[in-house]
Amino acid sequence: GNSVTQMEGPVTLSEEAFLTINCTYTATGYPSLFWYVQYPGEGLQLLLKATKADDKGSNKGFEATYRKETTSFHLEKGSVQVSDSAVYFCALSDQTGNQFYFGTGTSLTVIP
Amino acid sequence: NAGVTQTPKFQVLKTGQSMTLQCAQDMNHEYMSWYRQDPGMGLRLIHYSVGAGITDQGEVPNGYNVSRSTTEDFPLRLLSAAPSQTSVYFCASSYSGLGRVFFGPGTRLTVL
Repeated sequence: GNSVTQMEGPVTLSEEAFLTINCTYTATGYPSLFWYVQYPGEGLQLLLKATKADDKGSNKGFEATYRKETTSFHLEKGSVQVSDSAVYFCALSDQTGNQFYFGTGTSLTVIP
Repeated sequence: NAGVTQTPKFQVLKTGQSMTLQCAQDMNHEYMSWYRQDPGMGLRLIHYSVGAGITDQGEVPNGYNVSRSTTEDFPLRLLSAAPSQTSVYFCASSYSGLGRVFFGPGTRLTVL
């Protein structure tokens, strides 16, 4: 079946530190991969996505590369800001796009 | 565009009561879905719809009913609430299952 595993948090970083949040997946076929971000009291927002192997998704300084050989989609940012404090979810959709599978979320706090 | 709207924002029910969580979108999206978010569990798909008149079960459908009579609306019904249904519920929509998914702001439900 399909599933997503992401590193547990919470993660606390100082401003301008490097961020990595690990995400690995199990899927049949050719899933699409996503990172969503949830700010306090809000719904999820798409941060970036990749639809095939070796694709790199990027947005707002965040990047993630779809690695089929390691079944991974790790999120990275070179220099985090206080405004990046949120919960980050890795997700995959099956080939039909009808079902999404989410990781458990990783809470990030960036301190000045 | 209002995007995806959900009502109510908060609700407290007693065990055995029924209620309907409302979800509407004004983006003419065909695909709509309901998720529940629980601590340490990420988001889990309850039901989804690929168009008016078409619904299907997700990962955790028991205790919930849905219908899709119009493109815009996708209500979620709890026929007999149970404490295990205490959660935050998110409605989502997209033009197609593989397209960008937009989430509503969520409904926080407590069942006593």
